[in-house]
Amino acid sequence: GAVVSQHPSWVICKSGTSVKIECRSLDFQATTMFWYRQFPKQSLMLMATSNEGSKATYEQGVEKDKFLINHASLTLSTLTVTSAHPEDSSFYICSVQTSGGAISVTDTQYFGPGTRLTVL
Amino acid sequence: AQSVAQPEDQVNVAEGNPLTVKCTYSVSGNPYLFWYVQYPNRGLQFLLKYITGDNLVKGSYGFEAEFNKSQTSFHLKKPSALVSDSALYFCAVRDILSGAGSYQLTFGKGTKLSVIP
Repeated sequence: GAVVSQHPSWVICKSGTSVKIECRSLDFQATTMFWYRQFPKQSLMLMATSNEGSKATYEQGVEKDKFLINHASLTLSTLTVTSAHPEDSSFYICSVQTSGGAISVTDTQYFGPGTRLTVL
Repeated sequence: AQSVAQPEDQVNVAEGNPLTVKCTYSVSGNPYLFWYVQYPNRGLQFLLKYITGDNLVKGSYGFEAEFNKSQTSFHLKKPSALVSDSALYFCAVRDILSGAGSYQLTFGKGTKLSVIP
């Protein structure tokens, strides 16, 4: 499967600052990456689908101006939490969907190790 | 709309005993089913998936899952549990009818597996 990394693995920031999280596909060119958010003891919530070279598709209820996504290359997508507040504290996980060609519904998603964000 | 239910928040099993983590699903069309495992403060690791064919799917680390269309279930199983299997397990489904070009996975809430030495 694909190897996915995230940086940083954890970050603590002050309220009002912006934080950038990187997601890299190390051995696979990913045209599509996904960003999830996970609260303690809860399941993953899809935030947005990141498409290389185009605008991300956000899920309902996710503020696109607050969670900026940039997928500038086939191996890198970034999530920037702008003007972070304590309620943005969470575990953010990205994933890539592997395929040999055109993306298919049978493809597997491989996940990064996650980034723990704590906003003070 | 697609959905996944994991009816048990926690499953406890003695080391060496067989384990089962339950999952049921609801989809409009043909389901594509996945199991992932998550260790503390880590991302999800892919275990196995059912796309079509044999109802018994074998995956990583000795895990397997049985697809049962009539019961809309996809239970995860392992013949002999290890202490190192203790983790959070997520079932996920993707429905081909979710929409053209839709690849969204819908996850269950997760089941915490504790294997007791």
